[in-house]
Amino acid sequence: QVQLQESGPGLVKPSQTLSLSCAVSGGSITSGDYYWNWIRQTPGKGLEWIGNIYKNERTYYNPSLKSRISISVDTSKNQFSLILTSVTVADTALFYCARSAMPSNSGYIFDSWGQGTLVTVSS
Amino acid sequence: DIQMTQSPSSLSASVGDTVTITCRASRDISTFLNWYQQKPGKAPKVLVYAASTLQSGAPSRFSGGGSGTHFTLTISSLQPEDFATYYCQESDSMSWTFGPGTTVDTK
Repeated sequence: QVQLQESGPGLVKPSQTLSLSCAVSGGSITSGDYYWNWIRQTPGKGLEWIGNIYKNERTYYNPSLKSRISISVDTSKNQFSLILTSVTVADTALFYCARSAMPSNSGYIFDSWGQGTLVTVSS
Repeated sequence: DIQMTQSPSSLSASVGDTVTITCRASRDISTFLNWYQQKPGKAPKVLVYAASTLQSGAPSRFSGGGSGTHFTLTISSLQPEDFATYYCQESDSMSWTFGPGTTVDTK
C-alpha cells in the first residue's frame, strides 16, 4: 500500500519561496497510471487543488496559482516537490500531497493522502 | 472553472438517522463526482466515486446518486464514527474543484 509523507518548513516569510517535498513509499512514482498532487486546505477557502505531475512527464496546475507554482519529480528519491513563489499570508495552509488514480471511466480520485504539513506565512 | 456548492453547510443529527447532503456543479459534469469524508486532524478519505460507486472499504450505509449538475450523498442509519465533514469534488475538469464541505455533528 502506497504511503505519502510531506516535509518542509513550517514557517515562511512573506514574498519568499515555499518548498515542500512528498516522499512516496510502497510503489514507484513513475509506474502505474497515477497523478501526484498537491492540495491545500484553509478554514476560509476549504480544499484547493494546487497541481499535479504525471510520472515525470506532464504537469497540470490550478489556473489561479499557475504563475507561482512548479511541481517536479525526483525519481532517485521517489519523491515529488512543490515550489510556490512570492508567498503571502493568504498562502498559509495545511498542505497535503496525494495520489490520484482512475478506478472507472468517470475520472480520477484522490485515493492516498499524506498526513499534511502546516505552513504559516508570517514575518 | 467549475464551481461546486454544497447544502447544507452543516447539519445536526442523531445516531440512527438518515441524512442527505446535496452537491451542485455549475455545469454538467456527467458522473465525474466524488465524495470524501474528513475527520479532525486527518486527511480526507474517498467514500464514493463516479457519483454512485462505493469505494472499497467504505461502509454500505453510504450511497451516492445523481448526474449532470445535481448529486447527493446519503448516510443511512448514521453511526458515531460518521460525524465528520463531507466534501464533494468534481473530476471532470483539470482543476478538480472541491465543494465547501458539509459538517455533520451530533444533535
